[in-house]
Amino acid sequence: SQQGEEDPQALSIQEGENATMNCSYKTSINNLQWYRQNSGRGLVHLILIRSNEREKHSGRLRVTLDTSKKSSSLLITASRAADTASYFCATVPEGSGNTGKLIFGQGTTLQVKP
Amino acid sequence: GAVVSQHPSWVICKSGTSVKIECRSLDFQATTMFWYRQFPKQSLMLMATSNEGSKATYEQGVEKDKFLINHASLTLSTLTVTSAHPEDSSFYICRAGPPNTEAFFGQGTRLTVV
Repeated sequence: SQQGEEDPQALSIQEGENATMNCSYKTSINNLQWYRQNSGRGLVHLILIRSNEREKHSGRLRVTLDTSKKSSSLLITASRAADTASYFCATVPEGSGNTGKLIFGQGTTLQVKP
Repeated sequence: GAVVSQHPSWVICKSGTSVKIECRSLDFQATTMFWYRQFPKQSLMLMATSNEGSKATYEQGVEKDKFLINHASLTLSTLTVTSAHPEDSSFYICRAGPPNTEAFFGQGTRLTVV
């Protein structure tokens, strides 16, 4: 079953603008991860934030985590046309132990127009 | 990062036939691998957890006899879609990697049943 939901489902912006995607989840987690998927391809890991962290940066990416609200956001700054892809949050539910079970949100489709 | 190779990348088969998809971890040993299914414009749905040397653990609603999983070695898991039907047409993705760290995905397999 899906762990959470993302919004917006689709986002269209101009190159150079910032893109913000939100993810909500339902159960307590060990960590939350963001992935990118180009159409018809596998997933690429972007960033992992642990349950005891509140914010993390990686290049043009900024991720926040609010465990009290069970939500996370991914900000892509100074977007580029090459950022066009689908973005998914994924959580490792607390108590899943060492199974490594990863549950995905619904995803946000981002289109960056040149 | 670690490499997970999935083969084939696409396959077309006739209804009633079986299709085998391979997932290999190329530079690390994976005692656990995961199989996901993705319909167009939708998120990844976890189908099953593949355990090396033991039976796979299937998610609720996934038919064990329909989707046979074998994890005979630390670097190879296979998913066999038996007696395929058009509704089995989908994008299948495998995943490996230690728990609670970033996950590594195969390139995905586009299955079309005609």
